[in-house]
Amino acid sequence: GENVEQHPSTLSVQEGDSAVIKCTYSDSASNYFPWYKQELGKRPQLIIDIRSNVGEKKDQRIAVTLNKTAKHFSLHITETQPEDSAVYFCAAQPGTYKYIFGTGTRLKVLA
Amino acid sequence: GAVVSQHPSWVICKSGTSVKIECRSLDFQATTMFWYRQFPKQSLMLMATSNEGSKATYEQGVEKDKFLINHASLTLSTLTVTSAHPEDSSFYICSARDFGPSGSRETQYFGPGTRLLVL
Repeated sequence: GENVEQHPSTLSVQEGDSAVIKCTYSDSASNYFPWYKQELGKRPQLIIDIRSNVGEKKDQRIAVTLNKTAKHFSLHITETQPEDSAVYFCAAQPGTYKYIFGTGTRLKVLA
Repeated sequence: GAVVSQHPSWVICKSGTSVKIECRSLDFQATTMFWYRQFPKQSLMLMATSNEGSKATYEQGVEKDKFLINHASLTLSTLTVTSAHPEDSSFYICSARDFGPSGSRETQYFGPGTRLLVL
């Protein structure tokens, strides 16, 4: 069935460094890939997304890349700040309405 | 972005009672809403898809008689956990599909979640 793998499960970086989170999906029909940030006890918040007709998208310090051939996509956060610390989830939408979520990455930005 | 509310934010109940959780889209109409369950330090597990005016679609392994879903209007879906037991304790989050101003760009927006503790 549909599956999304996400790595790493935890990531610690020094403030100011970059962080990269990678996801791989199984269903080649997937055409939409959102990234959510979830702080402890709060709702997931959409931070960036990419559709299958685009290879890269950037929004200030956040960027997402998509490689459809390899079926993987990545989140890049540059100049990390302590407030970037949270759990990040990738998701893939395999051509229907539901999202398949990755297992999450706990990012810690060390001051 | 669009706003989704959820009520209550937390509930404590005795084993055997039923608990109703409401999910509302505040500034848009949502023909489809989703119910997720999230255990501590784990990912979001889709339980069911709530469709306005029709029966919900449940994911494999989710008991439809245990988790009753009703989507009676374009802005409200409810999840009722019937005869709740301690193993039902979890963080329940809903999301709603919004198609944006153009009607073509779908995005899911999440509610703040409901923390359920069954004693």
